[in-house]
Amino acid sequence: EDKVVQSPLSLVVHEGDTVTLNCSYEVTNFRSLLWYKQEKKAPTFLFMLTSSGIEKKSGRLSSILDKKELFSILNITATQTGDSAIYLCAVAGAGSYQLTFGKGTKLSVIP
Amino acid sequence: DADVTQTPRNRITKTGKRIMLECSQTKGHDRMYWYRQDPGLGLRLIYYSFDVKDINKGEISDGYSVSRQAQAKFSLSLESAIPNQTALYFCATRGTSGSGDEQFFGPGTRLTVL
Repeated sequence: EDKVVQSPLSLVVHEGDTVTLNCSYEVTNFRSLLWYKQEKKAPTFLFMLTSSGIEKKSGRLSSILDKKELFSILNITATQTGDSAIYLCAVAGAGSYQLTFGKGTKLSVIP
Repeated sequence: DADVTQTPRNRITKTGKRIMLECSQTKGHDRMYWYRQDPGLGLRLIYYSFDVKDINKGEISDGYSVSRQAQAKFSLSLESAIPNQTALYFCATRGTSGSGDEQFFGPGTRLTVL
């Protein structure tokens, strides 16, 4: 059974701080790992990672995958109140069209 | 216009009632999914469908049924709603093989069962 564990479950930071969110996984025949941001309702896609050591970057957000150690991190630099959200990590295994989600990390950025 | 729509957006119902949640998409995707989200539990898969003739149970299908009326429409039914089915329900779509694993989510339906 595929498994995704995210840590921490919740986090409160001040604007301008840098945060690192963690995602560890167990999946049969790993194919990809995805990060989503969920603000009010629907999760929105951030990154998909398939190869170790290659950083994906979008503005102040970046993510990297370590396939040997079975984890990924999502970094957010110079946080803003608009970054407050639940961040979800999900994995897909080869031959599967399903995603297995972690429980999410709730990030709160206070002014 | 939104690519994935869900109706209703909010629903309050009573224990024992039958309720249907509907999902439509204009993305042309063949794969569609229903999830529920409970506080602190992340997203859990209820059912998924690869086309109108291919329906599969997910992790938590008990108490639910689905219907894929067309490529663009996927409905979730609760035959006899119970309070522990109170949750936020999401429909999602995915493109065909080779398009990547990204799933696109609808806005969600908040269901309350009294």
